[in-house]
Amino acid sequence: EAQVTQNPRYLITVTGKKLTVTCSQNMNHEYMSWYRQDPGLGLRQIYYSMNVEVTDKGDVPEGYKVSRKEKRNFPLILESPSPNQTSLYFCASSDFPGSQETQYFGPGTRLLVL
Amino acid sequence: AQTVTQSQPEMSVQEAETVTLSCTYDTSESNYYLFWYKQPPSRQMILVIRQEAYKQQNATENRFSVNFQKAAKSFSLKISDSQLGDTAMYFCALPSYNQGGKLIFGQGTELSVKP
Repeated sequence: EAQVTQNPRYLITVTGKKLTVTCSQNMNHEYMSWYRQDPGLGLRQIYYSMNVEVTDKGDVPEGYKVSRKEKRNFPLILESPSPNQTSLYFCASSDFPGSQETQYFGPGTRLLVL
Repeated sequence: AQTVTQSQPEMSVQEAETVTLSCTYDTSESNYYLFWYKQPPSRQMILVIRQEAYKQQNATENRFSVNFQKAAKSFSLKISDSQLGDTAMYFCALPSYNQGGKLIFGQGTELSVKP
Protein backbone atom coordinates (compact mmCIF):
# COMPACT_ATOMS: atom_id res chain seq x y z
CA GLU A 1 0.00 0.00 0.00
CA ALA A 2 1.29 3.43 -1.00
CA GLN A 3 1.68 5.51 2.11
CA VAL A 4 3.53 8.06 4.18
CA THR A 5 4.27 6.96 7.73
CA GLN A 6 5.25 9.06 10.71
CA ASN A 7 6.52 8.06 14.14
CA PRO A 8 5.70 8.64 16.85
CA ARG A 9 2.05 9.55 16.45
CA TYR A 10 1.87 11.15 19.88
CA LEU A 11 4.68 12.55 21.97
CA ILE A 12 4.86 14.40 25.27
CA THR A 13 8.27 15.78 26.15
CA VAL A 14 9.91 18.47 28.21
CA THR A 15 11.64 21.66 27.19
CA GLY A 16 15.15 21.12 25.90
CA LYS A 17 15.04 17.37 25.37
CA LYS A 18 16.09 16.62 21.81
CA LEU A 19 13.63 14.62 19.74
CA THR A 20 13.24 13.27 16.23
CA VAL A 21 10.02 12.66 14.33
CA THR A 22 10.56 10.18 11.53
CA CYS A 23 8.86 10.28 8.14
CA SER A 24 9.04 7.60 5.50
CA GLN A 25 7.31 7.16 2.13
CA ASN A 26 7.19 4.08 -0.09
CA MET A 27 6.17 5.79 -3.35
CA ASN A 28 9.66 6.72 -4.56
CA HIS A 29 8.68 10.40 -4.36
CA GLU A 30 11.35 13.01 -4.92
CA TYR A 31 9.66 15.82 -3.00
CA MET A 32 9.04 15.74 0.75
CA SER A 33 7.90 18.43 3.11
CA TRP A 34 7.06 19.11 6.76
CA TYR A 35 4.13 21.22 7.92
CA ARG A 36 2.82 22.20 11.31
CA GLN A 37 -0.85 22.89 11.97
CA ASP A 38 -1.97 25.26 14.69
CA PRO A 39 -5.43 26.64 15.53
CA GLY A 40 -6.03 29.94 13.79
CA LEU A 41 -2.78 29.71 11.83
CA GLY A 42 -3.57 26.83 9.49
CA LEU A 43 -0.83 24.69 7.98
CA ARG A 44 2.59 26.23 7.64
CA GLN A 45 5.56 24.71 5.88
CA ILE A 46 8.64 24.11 8.03
CA TYR A 47 11.17 22.57 5.62
CA TYR A 48 11.08 20.84 2.30
CA SER A 49 13.34 18.65 0.19
CA MET A 50 13.48 18.46 -3.59
CA ASN A 51 15.65 15.33 -3.55
CA VAL A 52 18.32 13.47 -1.63
CA GLU A 53 20.73 15.88 0.08
CA VAL A 54 18.67 18.89 -1.12
CA THR A 55 16.73 20.64 1.63
CA ASP A 56 15.52 24.18 2.15
CA LYS A 57 13.65 26.31 4.63
CA GLY A 58 9.94 26.86 4.50
CA ASP A 59 7.98 29.57 6.26
CA VAL A 60 8.71 28.61 9.88
CA PRO A 61 12.09 26.81 10.08
CA GLU A 62 13.32 28.26 13.39
CA GLY A 63 14.01 25.59 15.97
CA TYR A 64 13.90 22.71 13.49
CA LYS A 65 16.40 20.72 11.46
CA VAL A 66 15.94 18.14 8.74
CA SER A 67 18.04 15.76 6.71
CA ARG A 68 17.49 13.77 3.53
CA LYS A 69 20.11 11.04 3.30
CA GLU A 70 17.81 8.56 1.61
CA LYS A 71 15.00 9.20 -0.82
CA ARG A 72 12.35 7.56 1.33
CA ASN A 73 13.15 9.20 4.69
CA PHE A 74 12.87 12.80 5.84
CA PRO A 75 13.21 13.13 9.63
CA LEU A 76 12.33 16.29 11.52
CA ILE A 77 14.67 17.11 14.39
CA LEU A 78 13.93 19.40 17.31
CA GLU A 79 17.31 20.00 18.97
CA SER A 80 15.92 21.88 21.97
CA PRO A 81 12.12 21.82 21.95
CA SER A 82 10.18 24.69 23.48
CA PRO A 83 6.49 24.96 24.41
CA ASN A 84 5.76 27.05 21.31
CA GLN A 85 6.59 23.99 19.24
CA THR A 86 3.58 22.19 20.65
CA SER A 87 1.63 21.42 17.51
CA LEU A 88 0.33 18.85 15.06
CA TYR A 89 3.01 17.94 12.54
CA PHE A 90 2.51 16.50 9.08
CA CYS A 91 4.96 15.03 6.66
CA ALA A 92 3.97 15.04 2.99
CA SER A 93 5.45 13.75 -0.25
CA SER A 94 4.81 14.06 -3.97
CA ASP A 95 6.18 12.81 -7.25
CA PHE A 96 7.90 15.87 -8.61
CA PRO A 97 9.73 18.79 -7.13
CA GLY A 98 7.56 21.87 -7.06
CA SER A 99 4.59 19.83 -5.95
CA GLN A 100 2.41 20.32 -9.02
CA GLU A 101 1.42 16.75 -8.39
CA THR A 102 -0.68 15.61 -5.46
CA GLN A 103 0.92 15.80 -2.04
CA TYR A 104 0.18 12.78 0.13
CA PHE A 105 0.18 13.32 3.86
CA GLY A 106 1.27 11.16 6.74
CA PRO A 107 -1.11 10.53 9.66
CA GLY A 108 0.28 13.39 11.74
CA THR A 109 2.29 13.60 14.96
CA ARG A 110 0.82 15.38 17.96
CA LEU A 111 3.60 16.94 20.00
CA LEU A 112 3.22 18.47 23.44
CA VAL A 113 6.24 20.25 24.91
CA LEU A 114 5.96 20.96 28.63
CA ALA B 1 0.72 36.36 -4.40
CA GLN B 2 -1.25 33.17 -4.49
CA THR B 3 -4.19 33.02 -2.12
CA VAL B 4 -7.00 30.62 -1.25
CA THR B 5 -10.20 31.72 0.49
CA GLN B 6 -12.96 29.64 2.01
CA SER B 7 -15.73 31.91 3.22
CA GLN B 8 -17.85 29.31 5.04
CA PRO B 9 -16.28 28.46 8.42
CA GLU B 10 -19.04 25.97 9.29
CA MET B 11 -21.76 24.13 7.46
CA SER B 12 -24.19 21.39 8.31
CA VAL B 13 -26.23 19.03 6.19
CA GLN B 14 -28.70 16.24 6.81
CA GLU B 15 -27.63 12.74 6.00
CA ALA B 16 -28.37 11.77 2.36
CA GLU B 17 -28.66 15.39 1.24
CA THR B 18 -26.30 17.40 -0.96
CA VAL B 19 -24.00 20.17 0.18
CA THR B 20 -21.64 22.51 -1.64
CA LEU B 21 -18.50 24.01 -0.11
CA SER B 22 -17.08 27.16 -1.68
CA CYS B 23 -13.51 28.12 -2.47
CA THR B 24 -12.01 31.02 -4.38
CA TYR B 25 -8.37 31.45 -5.22
CA ASP B 26 -5.94 33.74 -6.93
CA THR B 27 -2.92 32.81 -9.00
CA SER B 28 -1.05 34.26 -11.94
CA GLU B 29 -0.27 30.80 -13.29
CA SER B 30 -2.15 29.61 -16.36
CA ASN B 31 -1.72 25.93 -15.67
CA TYR B 32 -2.08 24.60 -12.16
CA TYR B 33 -3.76 22.06 -9.95
CA LEU B 34 -6.38 22.54 -7.27
CA PHE B 35 -7.16 20.11 -4.46
CA TRP B 36 -9.74 19.41 -1.81
CA TYR B 37 -8.47 17.70 1.32
CA LYS B 38 -10.56 16.29 4.15
CA GLN B 39 -9.46 16.28 7.79
CA PRO B 40 -11.74 14.09 9.92
CA PRO B 41 -11.61 14.02 13.73
CA SER B 42 -8.60 11.67 13.48
CA ARG B 43 -6.78 14.78 12.08
CA GLN B 44 -5.32 12.91 9.11
CA MET B 45 -5.21 14.91 5.84
CA ILE B 46 -6.90 12.90 3.12
CA LEU B 47 -7.08 13.86 -0.55
CA VAL B 48 -10.69 14.05 -1.70
CA ILE B 49 -10.39 15.25 -5.28
CA ARG B 50 -8.13 17.20 -7.59
CA GLN B 51 -8.64 19.32 -10.69
CA GLU B 52 -6.17 20.27 -13.40
CA ALA B 53 -6.77 23.80 -14.59
CA TYR B 54 -6.28 23.06 -18.28
CA LYS B 55 -9.01 20.44 -18.21
CA GLN B 56 -12.44 21.91 -18.85
CA GLN B 57 -14.25 18.88 -17.51
CA ASN B 58 -15.04 19.01 -13.81
CA ALA B 59 -13.45 16.24 -11.75
CA THR B 60 -15.63 13.60 -10.11
CA GLU B 61 -14.82 10.95 -7.52
CA ASN B 62 -17.85 8.89 -6.55
CA ARG B 63 -20.08 11.17 -4.44
CA PHE B 64 -17.65 14.08 -4.68
CA SER B 65 -17.51 16.47 -7.60
CA VAL B 66 -16.22 19.95 -8.25
CA ASN B 67 -17.51 22.99 -10.05
CA PHE B 68 -14.40 24.59 -11.48
CA GLN B 69 -14.84 28.08 -12.93
CA LYS B 70 -11.39 29.13 -14.14
CA ALA B 71 -12.29 32.65 -15.21
CA ALA B 72 -14.00 33.34 -11.90
CA LYS B 73 -11.22 31.53 -9.99
CA SER B 74 -13.79 29.47 -8.17
CA PHE B 75 -13.47 25.83 -7.11
CA SER B 76 -16.42 24.48 -5.16
CA LEU B 77 -16.86 20.95 -3.81
CA LYS B 78 -20.20 19.20 -4.03
CA ILE B 79 -20.90 16.21 -1.78
CA SER B 80 -23.90 14.17 -2.82
CA ASP B 81 -25.77 11.69 -0.63
CA SER B 82 -23.93 12.96 2.45
CA GLN B 83 -22.88 10.32 4.96
CA LEU B 84 -22.03 10.59 8.66
CA GLY B 85 -18.44 9.72 7.77
CA ASP B 86 -18.20 12.90 5.70
CA THR B 87 -18.15 14.93 8.93
CA ALA B 88 -14.78 16.67 8.80
CA MET B 89 -12.90 19.86 8.14
CA TYR B 90 -12.48 20.44 4.40
CA PHE B 91 -9.58 22.40 2.97
CA CYS B 92 -9.19 23.80 -0.51
CA ALA B 93 -5.53 23.94 -1.59
CA LEU B 94 -3.39 25.38 -4.37
CA PRO B 95 0.28 24.45 -4.92
CA SER B 96 2.74 27.31 -4.84
CA TYR B 97 5.15 27.58 -7.75
CA ASN B 98 7.87 29.70 -6.30
CA GLN B 99 7.60 29.04 -2.57
CA GLY B 100 9.22 25.67 -2.07
CA GLY B 101 6.34 23.71 -3.51
CA LYS B 102 4.18 24.17 -0.45
CA LEU B 103 0.45 23.83 -0.58
CA ILE B 104 -1.46 27.04 0.11
CA PHE B 105 -4.54 26.12 2.10
CA GLY B 106 -7.79 27.93 2.67
CA GLN B 107 -9.03 28.51 6.20
CA GLY B 108 -11.18 25.39 6.09
CA THR B 109 -14.89 24.63 6.29
CA GLU B 110 -16.09 22.46 9.14
CA LEU B 111 -18.84 20.21 7.83
CA SER B 112 -21.24 18.39 10.13
CA VAL B 113 -23.46 15.68 8.72
CA LYS B 114 -26.50 15.17 10.93
CA PRO B 115 -28.51 11.95 11.14
